[in-house]
Amino acid sequence: DIQMTQSPSTLSASVGDRVTITCRASQTISSWLAWYQQKPGKAPKLLIYEASSLESGVPSRFSGSGSGTEFTLTISSLQPDDFATYYCQQYDSYSPTFGKGTKLEIK
Amino acid sequence: QVQLVESGGGVVQPERSLRLSCAASGFTFSTSVIHWVRLAPGKGLEWVAGISHDGNTEHYADSVKGRFTISRDNAKNMVYLQMNSLRAEDTAVYFCAKEGYTSGHCGAFNIWGQGTMVTVSS
Repeated sequence: DIQMTQSPSTLSASVGDRVTITCRASQTISSWLAWYQQKPGKAPKLLIYEASSLESGVPSRFSGSGSGTEFTLTISSLQPDDFATYYCQQYDSYSPTFGKGTKLEIK
Repeated sequence: QVQLVESGGGVVQPERSLRLSCAASGFTFSTSVIHWVRLAPGKGLEWVAGISHDGNTEHYADSVKGRFTISRDNAKNMVYLQMNSLRAEDTAVYFCAKEGYTSGHCGAFNIWGQGTMVTVSS
């Protein structure tokens, strides 16, 4: 299986900050990478697909980049609603895998 | 509206069975690939199983292979997850999710249900 290594596991930041989360695949996955946001007790929400395509309805402060094995999710200016856990997911294989998550906390 | 609704969770003893259901509405179910994903307490998301639009192809995580079976009924817009020989480590919230964007092998999940909790405990 393709392993996804996500960092950092926890990130403390303030409203208005620019933050970046990184995801590394154990083998090349082209651009078949998605990013999700999950809040406690809620279902994950798709933010980004195909590494850099913004899902409909997702604010433009979210952006994704990368290809091959290195990917990033950037939030340009944190809003109060953005404090949550973020996951990357590869879908290059028949067995998709997720990163272990990044918990974004208020500093 | 477009939605997935899971049901069937509960408390079950180790080695017993449980069947989860996922009811779909608001989209063309018969052309959609559906998956189950779980979130164990204190852990991250884990993909469990996926089924093709026609039910002819199934894929499973190694952790559930041979114990879980995914199936679907396109006439009823339903997907099921039959879970046998349950273990404590299967305790999790189980979500069903629809593929929205595909690589040809799998996809990004753009529609999710609210989840159903499964607790395996004696």
